[in-house]
Amino acid sequence: QVQLQESGPGLVKPSQTLSLTCTVSGDSISSGNHYWSWIRQHPGKGLEWIGYIYYTGSVFYNPSNPSLKGRLTMSVDTSKNQFSLKVSSVTAADTAVYYCAREGTMVTTRGAFDMWGQGTTVTVSS
Amino acid sequence: QSALTQPASVSGSPGQSITISCTGSTSDVGGDIGGYTYVSWYQQYPGKAPKLMIYGVSNRPSGVSNRFSGSKSGITASLTISGLQAEDEADYYCSSYTTNRPYVFGTGTKVTVL
Repeated sequence: QVQLQESGPGLVKPSQTLSLTCTVSGDSISSGNHYWSWIRQHPGKGLEWIGYIYYTGSVFYNPSNPSLKGRLTMSVDTSKNQFSLKVSSVTAADTAVYYCAREGTMVTTRGAFDMWGQGTTVTVSS
Repeated sequence: QSALTQPASVSGSPGQSITISCTGSTSDVGGDIGGYTYVSWYQQYPGKAPKLMIYGVSNRPSGVSNRFSGSKSGITASLTISGLQAEDEADYYCSSYTTNRPYVFGTGTKVTVL
């Protein structure tokens, strides 16, 4: 049974760096069969894709989100079967539930997130 | 980044069928990559993570009820829930993936079972 689990501080001060980790069980990140994404949901709002990382360390960040541009860092640790997200210089606008999610690499499964973590709430406040 | 447009709410009585629309543009819902269209639908209960219900416009993942079906015409995708049940009351989001606009989500629709 595949499971994804986010972890990290629930409270981050403005201007500091938000750091989250997603631990994957029941699947191997290094299999190369999936892309591993971060998605967030602002309170009472819709879903926003942040970016994905592949097991090789190759990343693709959302090109259409100016608010995150230049503040994102994603990394992967295949030995721990984990991938991580860092968002620097956070503001209240980064307050959201952050999800990690899995997407297949096959043509028929691209664009579809078939497994999600339970989500972790991050609040940016002093 | 403009989200795909969905109705804010849709309601129906148990046993009825309802359809949720998702309208985009030729750059997302109406586009394709190599002839394949990447439109997905997700169900989300309050406080829970989204669940994939439909991918590739009309494909159901294993375990998803066949009461859920997807379709697309032009720049509008649709999710139909037939035989509406109380457990279907949730928020639903569409999503589109194209080269020009990767991973765009819809505004979300709250489904109410009367």
